[in-house]
Amino acid sequence: KAGVTQTPRYLIKTRGQQVTLSCSPISGHRSVSWYQQTPGQGLQFLFEYFSETQRNKGNFPGRFSGRQFSNSRSEMNVSTLELGDSALYLCASSLASGQVLQYFGPGTRLTVT
Amino acid sequence: DAKTTQPTSMDCAEGRAANLPCNHSTISGNEYVYWYRQIHSQGPQYIIHGLKNNETNEMASLIITEDRKSSTLILPHATLRDTAVYYCIVAPPFSGGYNKLIFGAGTRLAVHP
Repeated sequence: KAGVTQTPRYLIKTRGQQVTLSCSPISGHRSVSWYQQTPGQGLQFLFEYFSETQRNKGNFPGRFSGRQFSNSRSEMNVSTLELGDSALYLCASSLASGQVLQYFGPGTRLTVT
Repeated sequence: DAKTTQPTSMDCAEGRAANLPCNHSTISGNEYVYWYRQIHSQGPQYIIHGLKNNETNEMASLIITEDRKSSTLILPHATLRDTAVYYCIVAPPFSGGYNKLIFGAGTRLAVHP
């Protein structure tokens, strides 16, 4: 069974721009969670989607948004990028909502200049 | 308060068993012990989890003490590719809210030739 895939793997953007990241979960998994990882803050939970609905949300500003499609694929959008948004963005999939057992993708490395 | 305590770093010779300890003295009856690892700049990888019985899979073995206050992850024949940060997490199998799947500092395992 194929693992979680994320595209693109690397991205360089300029302050003020917006960016969209994509995640395809493991086949049959309906929950997709997004995390931001930085050296200083570690792994921080952004939000979780299940059956096209946002189920849980972390403590991030409204510039961070996401959505999930009927095939469980998910996208994350960050608008008006700031330098501090430079991070590794990770997507994780699981069978059910709120499940601790999650399988992570390789991540998207976003650099904001 | 941290729910788990792990050594900051450990070394292991290639081909030998790596035994990574984790203390979780305040674990609740419904909480499982989960182990993940993260190789540099990659997404976290689920390894194994257990409630109270010892568990084994193709990657590792998990030994949980009878009082469930501590556990040990065993990599039976460590290779250079096992060099990573290993995270021990205790949580119920389903935990909603933005604070699910919180990684602590973990143990940095270095496998050397």
